[in-house]
Amino acid sequence: QQQVRQSPQSLTVWEGETAILNCSYEDSTFDYFPWYWQFPRESPALLIAIRPVSNKKEDGRFTIFFNKREKKLSLHITDSQPGDSATYFCAARASSGSWQLIFGSGTQLTVMP
Amino acid sequence: EAAVTQSPRNKVAVTGGKVTLSCNQTNNHNNMYWYRQDTGHGLRLIHYSYGAGSTEKGDIPDGYKASRPSQENFSLILELATPSQTSVYFCASGERRAANTEVFFGKGTRLTVV
Repeated sequence: QQQVRQSPQSLTVWEGETAILNCSYEDSTFDYFPWYWQFPRESPALLIAIRPVSNKKEDGRFTIFFNKREKKLSLHITDSQPGDSATYFCAARASSGSWQLIFGSGTQLTVMP
Repeated sequence: EAAVTQSPRNKVAVTGGKVTLSCNQTNNHNNMYWYRQDTGHGLRLIHYSYGAGSTEKGDIPDGYKASRPSQENFSLILELATPSQTSVYFCASGERRAANTEVFFGKGTRLTVV
């Protein structure tokens, strides 16, 4: 049972286009949603995060759009660059217990020059 | 910058053998985690710890044990390694805060069980 789902599994865009990565979740009590990115042969690292009190979080070319009612969020990468090519993980935090992060299966983004 | 160090970085083990993966963090974080990463599954939580002496089961604990002898160290133990445990293992540390939970990952251990 996957509590955090991501789509598409892989995505290819051209340099300069907007990449849209989707994420949905099951548990309405999740209270924090970070996105991590991972470059080949590297470890995941925090990119950007949002809490449900907001429906949008922006950091440069990266924007999270959050829809609490539909339990969906998306990461938009505008003016995509080849250096953005990586695997992107959506995660959600359980609101009780260890506050552990539950990760989706990832979207592999390739930006073609 | 957060520092999480894993050893070994690569390991080949035989089926039925015992494997110990080690993790050390210098961030003084209370929480530590072990994840495995497999294609199509993302990062799945095996065990985690709130602090020295504590270990908790994550989502896929079967076949794994964990040990947290100190704030800095967190080990993952495969008592009887199987080929299905071939994977990349990531250790992470993080602090439990109300506003957010950022975890910092080590560079990973690539384990092959033959």
